[in-house]
Amino acid sequence: DGGITQSPKYLFRKEGQNVTLSCEQNLNHDAMYWYRQDPGQGLRLIYYSQIVNDFQKGDIAEGYSVSREKKESFPLTVTSAQKNPTAFYLCASRLRGGEATEAFFGQGTRLTVV
Amino acid sequence: AQTVTQSQPEMSVQEAETVTLSCTYDTSESDYYLFWYKQPPSRQMILVIRQEAYKQQNATENRFSVNFQKAAKSFSLKISDSQLGDAAMYFCAYRSAVTQGGSEKLVFGKGTKLTVNP
Repeated sequence: DGGITQSPKYLFRKEGQNVTLSCEQNLNHDAMYWYRQDPGQGLRLIYYSQIVNDFQKGDIAEGYSVSREKKESFPLTVTSAQKNPTAFYLCASRLRGGEATEAFFGQGTRLTVV
Repeated sequence: AQTVTQSQPEMSVQEAETVTLSCTYDTSESDYYLFWYKQPPSRQMILVIRQEAYKQQNATENRFSVNFQKAAKSFSLKISDSQLGDAAMYFCAYRSAVTQGGSEKLVFGKGTKLTVNP
């Protein structure tokens, strides 16, 4: 079945470590997004990518990095520079070129710093 | 920069009644798209309804409809005949019309938690 897969579902990180969250889609979508969700804050955009080998910072990019080497993959690295990384992370993708095409979301990754 | 505001952090409704969730947005663009997403306790984001800014007619999807007021930059969601399964977080979202030079940026509001009382 087509969809977006985020892994792992739960992730624990020690302070000072970098961790990478995986996001893979087989929907042949061009645009991909990473959001961070905290209680009362809604979804805040970290990074987004419109095409392979290109990506833009969102509203809260500091302490995060991404790559887009393949159309189907958009991994997010949470670096040690991110001071408060504990949150729920959502990945999404969307087909470009259409009009009001919707974004499809993965199941999310819950990251906890221990 | 575009912003989306949902002024109601929480709302409640009786089963079978109607409830309206508010959303306002700020943009200088003339062409864009607006969305309502639902996030149940499973945390899976689900599209509820979408609206193209160039369309004057309000979008409807079964029990869900919107009141789109472009001049007022308002995009409210009405849920009719509320059901227990409608209980969720509801997020309003904005995206530029890429064909007019807009970006792919998809911006969300902070959400409204809807409780449905039996």
